Amino acid sequence: GEDVEQSLFLSVREGDSSVINCTYTDSSSTYLYWYKQEPGAGLQLLTYIFSNMDMKQDQRLTVLLNKKDKHLSLRIADTQTGDSAIYFCAERTPSNTGKLIFGQGTTLQVKP
Amino acid sequence: GAVVSQHPSWVICKSGTSVKIECRSLDFQATTMFWYRQFPKQSLMLMATSNEGSKATYEQGVEKDKFLINHASLTLSTLTVTSAHPEDSSFYICSARGTGRGLLTYEQYFGPGTRLTVT
Repeated sequence: GEDVEQSLFLSVREGDSSVINCTYTDSSSTYLYWYKQEPGAGLQLLTYIFSNMDMKQDQRLTVLLNKKDKHLSLRIADTQTGDSAIYFCAERTPSNTGKLIFGQGTTLQVKP
Repeated sequence: GAVVSQHPSWVICKSGTSVKIECRSLDFQATTMFWYRQFPKQSLMLMATSNEGSKATYEQGVEKDKFLINHASLTLSTLTVTSAHPEDSSFYICSARGTGRGLLTYEQYFGPGTRLTVT
């Protein structure tokens, strides 16, 4: 079945790099996403990667995809206190509905 | 572009009453809307998918008679929690997918969420 797993918590110091990891099970996933959720708010799409790509960089964000191992990671360079939030990875199913399957979310704590 | 709003942002209701949550796409036409439920410190669980003008498709385990979804227009979907009980207290988030200038095809744009507390 479809399942997305993430580690639950990551703590880094301001200025360091953060790496959030995610594994998924559906090898037919077409797109994989990273969303950010701040307390009491909805989800903000950070970035996404198509399944035939290995890497995508967008300013401080770098997404790496290892399709063989079904492993996705999000690297945030020069992490700031404003990056403190919950980060969700999600895969889009290839069905017509295009449902998103979310991981449990990783809470990123950035210490000054 | 691609702004989705929800109303209300939070609501407190008494057990046994019904409460309606609105989800609106402000600057695009939403052909499909999704309703999610999120428990504290947990992931989003998809409740149902609705296409404009047709009945919603509910995920397994979601009671369609309890969570009534109406997608009557291309900019509005509503979720009504009927005969609410304390266990229905949760954060409800909608998302919309559609067509419009600057929109990514097939992408979901999320609303800010509605916090429901049933006393």
